[in-house]
Amino acid sequence: EVQLVESGGGLVQPGGSLRLSCAASGFTFSSYEMNWVRQAPGKGLEWVSYISSSGSTIYYADSVKGRFTISRDNAKNSLYLQMNSLRAEDTAVYYCARIAVAGTGWFDPWGQGTLVTVSS
Amino acid sequence: EIVLTQSPGTLSLSPGERATLSCRASQSVSSSYLAWYQQKPGQAPRLLIYGASSRATGIPDRFSGSGSGTDFTLTISRLEPEDFAVYYCQQYGSSPRVFTFGPGTKVDIK
Repeated sequence: EVQLVESGGGLVQPGGSLRLSCAASGFTFSSYEMNWVRQAPGKGLEWVSYISSSGSTIYYADSVKGRFTISRDNAKNSLYLQMNSLRAEDTAVYYCARIAVAGTGWFDPWGQGTLVTVSS
Repeated sequence: EIVLTQSPGTLSLSPGERATLSCRASQSVSSSYLAWYQQKPGQAPRLLIYGASSRATGIPDRFSGSGSGTDFTLTISRLEPEDFAVYYCQQYGSSPRVFTFGPGTKVDIK
């Protein structure tokens, strides 16, 4: 079964840092492009960051550029999101999502999400 | 940057009725690059439609997608109780790899 499981969320103060992880199983992780998508409480979906299968190509949404860093370890079947200089508006459920077919842009599957709360 | 607008914001319907959801792009989008997702409360989104009109694996045939250019539609032919949820459209670019979601349409029980 293809599965993505996020971890690492929690409560952090403004200006703080947090590292999210996404453990992949049931597929050849190193062959797939991956993403982070977030959803603020009661709000819609916002794409955060993309990483190519090899890790050589990375993109960020303007809202997180310079503060967040996406990475992956294909040997460990894991995706990461290092979040620095966190702000209240970063409070959200963070999902990792696989791009279903190389070169396309639809996300399937998604993990169950991990909640990040930025508050003093 | 392409902006997606979805209408209506909320659609109140009864089980068995037909639902028609609209997604409009601020500039032309390749049909291949348009997808729809369903999200139920407390759950992750689920891929329904990709390439504007192709159903994802396991998606019932009461769900259909259509459209081209700037106007796309998700149709649910006969609403089942489990279909009451929020639906998002999404488009993506091939280079750079950027992804945009619409604000969502909530389909709730009338």
